[in-house]
Amino acid sequence: GAVVSQHPSRVICKSGTSVKIECRSLDFQATTMFWYRQFPKKSLMLMATSNEGSKATYEQGVEKDKFLINHASLTLSTLTVTSAHPEDSSFYICSARSGPQGSTGELFFGEGSRLTVL
Amino acid sequence: QKEVEQDPGPLSVPEGAIVSLNCTYSNSAFQYFMWYRQYSRKGPELLMYTYSSGNKEDGRFTAQVDKSSKYISLFIRDSQPSDSATYLCAMSYNQGGKLIFGQGTELSVKP
Repeated sequence: GAVVSQHPSRVICKSGTSVKIECRSLDFQATTMFWYRQFPKKSLMLMATSNEGSKATYEQGVEKDKFLINHASLTLSTLTVTSAHPEDSSFYICSARSGPQGSTGELFFGEGSRLTVL
Repeated sequence: QKEVEQDPGPLSVPEGAIVSLNCTYSNSAFQYFMWYRQYSRKGPELLMYTYSSGNKEDGRFTAQVDKSSKYISLFIRDSQPSDSATYLCAMSYNQGGKLIFGQGTELSVKP
């Protein structure tokens, strides 16, 4: 099946620094990628929808200046957590849907990236 | 009230048991229903996908949707230790649309 790769899988950083997480679709082109956040024993919360070549669409309550999303190519989207603080510590998961924007293809999830901010 | 409610468990069963996992939802506009399995520290993987009401079977897994009761279920027959994971229900209003996830139920199958 299709593979979505996330990197890094784990990152520990100091408070105030910025962290970039990459999401790649390895064997298909993904016009649309999604970024989720998951707290321990909690549901996946959609943060934003990333469309190749255009600005991301953020969910209500998600700070777009805090969580910068770039989708510069059909196989790569990045999430940058700027000026990270301990409350940003979480499990971040990306997903990608094969096909053009608005496609109804299956959604494939990455392995997730665990961010710990000290 | 949350849009999708799911008992977080944990649920512990002996190997070979039949497992029943459930979600309720509040918005009758949901049309597409999914079950994902998530192993510890991994991303979710799609298990079952159903549209509207009815049953769908795939091997040891059966998904049921009862739209009149706003209730969906996932049954696992002959459960195995390898089934130990968190199971998340998800639903959307339209095909390819935004997914709304339940909290996830943590399942442990003991050998």
